[in-house]
Amino acid sequence: DIQMTQSPSSLSASVGDRVTITCQASQDISNYLNWYQQKPGKAPKLLIYDASNLETGVPSRFSGSGSGTDFTFTISSLQPEDIATYYCQQYDNLPHTFGQGTRLEIK
Amino acid sequence: QVQLVQSGAEVKKPGASVKVSCKASGYTFTSYDINWVRQATGQGLEWMGWMNPNSGNTGYAQKFQGRVTMTRNTSISTAYMELSSLRSEDTAVYYCARDISGSARFDYWGQGTLVTVSS
Repeated sequence: DIQMTQSPSSLSASVGDRVTITCQASQDISNYLNWYQQKPGKAPKLLIYDASNLETGVPSRFSGSGSGTDFTFTISSLQPEDIATYYCQQYDNLPHTFGQGTRLEIK
Repeated sequence: QVQLVQSGAEVKKPGASVKVSCKASGYTFTSYDINWVRQATGQGLEWMGWMNPNSGNTGYAQKFQGRVTMTRNTSISTAYMELSSLRSEDTAVYYCARDISGSARFDYWGQGTLVTVSS
């Protein structure tokens, strides 16, 4: 199975800050990577697909980049409603493994 | 509007089986794969498998091979996930999700079904 390693596991930031989360795959996955946001008690929500494409209706402050084994997810200006856990997911190979998640808190 | 509505919470004893349903509405059920993802309390997301509602074809994570079965009833636009030989480690919230693209782009999710395995 392809292992997905996110960093950091948690982070605290202030409203308006630029926030960056990284995701590293254990092997080359091209751009076959999605990013999800999950708020407590809710189902995940797709934010970014194919590493860098913004899902319809998702605010433009969210973005993704990368290919191969190294990927980055960025929130350009953190808003209070962005408090959640974020997951990367690869779909190059089955099983479609997720990263362990990054918990984002407001400072 | 697209909706995936799952069945209610279940409590099962170790060794038993559970069958969770996922009723789709607002789109043509047979047009998009349904995937199942689970999440133990306080833990991350774990992909379990996929099913093509049109053909009935399935693909399962090796971890669940032999214990999971994904089926559907197209007449009522409902997908099912059955997990057998339950153990305490299977206690989790189980989600169904629609794959809009065939590349794990899960655009709509069910609300989740809590399955508790306890003696």
